[in-house]
Amino acid sequence: GAVVSQHPSWVICKSGTSVKIECRSLDFQATTMFWYRQFPKQSLMLMATSNEGSKATYEQGVEKDKFLINHASLTLSTLTVTSAHPEDSSFYICSARESGRANNEQFFGPGTRLTVL
Amino acid sequence: KQEVTQIPAALSVPEGENLVLNCSFTDSAIYNLQWFRQDPGKGLTSLLLIQSSQREQTSGRLNASLDKSSGRSTLYIAASQPGDSATYLCAVTGQAGTALIFGKGTTLSVSS
Repeated sequence: GAVVSQHPSWVICKSGTSVKIECRSLDFQATTMFWYRQFPKQSLMLMATSNEGSKATYEQGVEKDKFLINHASLTLSTLTVTSAHPEDSSFYICSARESGRANNEQFFGPGTRLTVL
Repeated sequence: KQEVTQIPAALSVPEGENLVLNCSFTDSAIYNLQWFRQDPGKGLTSLLLIQSSQREQTSGRLNASLDKSSGRSTLYIAASQPGDSATYLCAVTGQAGTALIFGKGTTLSVSS
């Protein structure tokens, strides 16, 4: 149980295009999902907290108009990188927290490798 | 602001050794602490979760301890194997429902 998927697993795009990444909780409902970014040889940095049915909360320094987050259902959150540029190339990982689980354990997706040419 | 530090940054050991990875955090008011494993280019695999009221958790050859008052956790790996080679990440949450704050990880290499 507690499986989180991400799609796509990798994407290569041209500068200026938009890329959508999906994060799904496959066997549980997730009121809250989190989006992280990881640059090479660095740790995971939180980008935003996504709550079902409401606006995402972004971390300082993360542009909300560039990284659009939609959490339209209890099993799906999407991150859209708009007008991507080479500096957006990174490993994007989502996590989901099961609704009602008291210990706050978070389950991570396999990540999406974005390369912007 | 919570900060998580992991020492050492890298570790190389021969197969069979027991080893300890260290994690420290600046704000002791945590909700829980998790240890993860990350293989190159892959996502995270949760290894152990310790609630703030707990002292340790064990899973197979892994044992994680938590000393909340001193802001420290250790991950003990017994009888290391080449398959244990990976980056190990420590992360904490401050409150239920909040995101994890990660350390930079310890990259472990176990040689056969």
